[in-house]
Amino acid sequence: GAVVSQHPSRVICKSGTSVKIECRSLDFQATTMFWYRQFPKKSLMLMATSNEGSKATYEQGVEKDKFLINHASLTLSTLTVTSAHPEDSSFYICSARLAGGGYNEQFFGPGTRLTVL
Amino acid sequence: GQNIDQPTEMTATEGAIVQINCTYQTSGFNGLFWYQQHAGEAPTFLSYNVLDGLEEKGRFSSFLSRSKGYSYLLLKELQMKDSASYLCAVSLWDNAGNMLTFGGGTRLMVKP
Repeated sequence: GAVVSQHPSRVICKSGTSVKIECRSLDFQATTMFWYRQFPKKSLMLMATSNEGSKATYEQGVEKDKFLINHASLTLSTLTVTSAHPEDSSFYICSARLAGGGYNEQFFGPGTRLTVL
Repeated sequence: GQNIDQPTEMTATEGAIVQINCTYQTSGFNGLFWYQQHAGEAPTFLSYNVLDGLEEKGRFSSFLSRSKGYSYLLLKELQMKDSASYLCAVSLWDNAGNMLTFGGGTRLMVKP
């Protein structure tokens, strides 16, 4: 149980276009989802916390107008990278928190590799 | 701010034992996770410690000392497939529950 999917797994786009990444909890409801970014050989950096039905909370230094997050249902959160540029190329990973568990473990999606040309 | 330190890289031999250390200084503490991450893949859960002591799970064990802000992950009988990055993450309380802050990760290379 506790499976999280992401779509697409890979995307290549031209500079200036927008890219939407979906994160779904397949077999549980997730009131909170997290979006991370990971550059090569670096650790995960939290970008924002997405709560169902409310605005996302962004970490310092993350532009909320550039990284739009929508958490419309208990099983889906989307991250839209608007007007993507080459420096946005990265591995984007979402996670969903299993509420009510013994320690609120986060389950990670398989990640989305974004390459902006 | 939050500070989580772990070695950047380690090398070990197949069949051996390796210990990966993690020290943390955080405002608040709600447990410590260890994750394994292979290149290009998402992290997978290895262990969780919230109380002091050792948690053993097969070839992997994790230890926590809250008073010292210290944890380690112990890998026994190393296999080539254990070559991966190991991420230490501290769980902190935010307004809606807990959030994870990750250390920089330790890249472990297992050699024959």
